[in-house]
Amino acid sequence: DAKTTQPNSMESNEEEPVHLPCNHSTISGTDYIHWYRQLPSQGPEYVIHGLTSNVNNRMASLAIAEDRKSSTLILHRATLRDAAVYYCTINSGGSNYKLTFGKGTLLTVNP
Amino acid sequence: DTEVTQTPKHLVMGMTNKKSLKCEQHMGHRAMYWYKQKAKKPPELMFVYSYEKLSINESVPSRFSPECPNSSLLNLHLHALQPEDSALYLCASSQAAGFTYEQYFGPGTRLTVT
Repeated sequence: DAKTTQPNSMESNEEEPVHLPCNHSTISGTDYIHWYRQLPSQGPEYVIHGLTSNVNNRMASLAIAEDRKSSTLILHRATLRDAAVYYCTINSGGSNYKLTFGKGTLLTVNP
Repeated sequence: DTEVTQTPKHLVMGMTNKKSLKCEQHMGHRAMYWYKQKAKKPPELMFVYSYEKLSINESVPSRFSPECPNSSLLNLHLHALQPEDSALYLCASSQAAGFTYEQYFGPGTRLTVT
């Protein structure tokens, strides 16, 4: 299974952009990169996913390196409600499809 | 409605008890999942059901027994658990069991085994 490496924690100021990095050097060609976040006392919440191209949605952007060995989740303007643990995950393809969570990055947003 | 519901929210059980966790979704999703999450750790996959059939069992001990009675409902039957099984048990669903589909998680059941 492909593994991910993320910083344990990051800090940001409110209304500033946040770039959350993730390394996944053992990713295979058909694996998708998914990002989830988990607020305190809640289940994980889907943020965004992609395969090769950069992706945007209403919550965030996902920038994927050309060699796919790393990716960056971009929150364009952090709010206090974005304070959470952000998990970079690999969703394996083929018949053994499953989500493998990394250890996550705890994002603190300062007012 | 993008909600996955889980009951109960909290459960305390002894090592000789039998209990069940329940998960429900009404999004028409055909894949459902059980995860276990220990404190300050990421979720770990336990089981995957696809079209009501068990497709992945991540070598989970037999004291955990999953059941998918229909496409909307997922149960996890618990028997003879150990204190180290205390954790947050999360249920999730997705449109199908494939790597392109996002998963929707419930709030979890906080289980304490005494």
